[in-house]
Amino acid sequence: EADIYQTPRYLVIGTGKKITLECSQTMGHDKMYWYQQDPGMELHLIHYSYGVNSTEKGDLSSESTVSRIRTEHFPLTLESARPSHTSQYLCASSGISSGTGNYGYTFGSGTRLTVV
Amino acid sequence: RKEVEQDPGPFNVPEGATVAFNCTYSNSASQSFFWYRQDCRKEPKLLMSVYSSGNEDGRFTAQLNRASQYISLLIRDSKLSDSATYLCVVSSGAGNNRKLIWGLGTSLAVNP
Repeated sequence: EADIYQTPRYLVIGTGKKITLECSQTMGHDKMYWYQQDPGMELHLIHYSYGVNSTEKGDLSSESTVSRIRTEHFPLTLESARPSHTSQYLCASSGISSGTGNYGYTFGSGTRLTVV
Repeated sequence: RKEVEQDPGPFNVPEGATVAFNCTYSNSASQSFFWYRQDCRKEPKLLMSVYSSGNEDGRFTAQLNRASQYISLLIRDSKLSDSATYLCVVSSGAGNNRKLIWGLGTSLAVNP
């Protein structure tokens, strides 16, 4: 059962709209990430956070912004969507698993965004 | 040169075959190694961690060669359901400096 949740699962919107992709995790992980991935292509890190009020840009430049007001919540916002933003956006979190004691890295199911 | 390199494939093998993937990494200070599996249009999921002594999980065996800076994944008795992309992941640093580097992935297609 997933401990990290992304909504919406699919989104089709018009150019110029503002959108927010939601990501929440129930594992108490401090670190959270947003990746962008096109079909058949590699994962690109676009944002990450090491805790509340901490946000950093990733390796791939992105016009999106993120916020981390609560440990469990890491939303991503596009102020004005464009067709070039069409992609899959994957949220992930990492930390020590309370069950196994091992360091874990877990992905949400992703949001597939299409901007028309 | 990428920090983590994998042969993108695709590897096309018949059911029951044994197939092996290699992954090389450039940072000799890397500490943790993982194989993830990603199905088409799905999120990556942890397949197995890779330990220095090598480890096995059913039909899957992972090995680490620190001297040559590569890790491998061996799949025995391939099943149709093994068809996926296999991502090599290398971790270095600690605490807030911990960084995960993802390979491009190796595509596997197991054919009936």
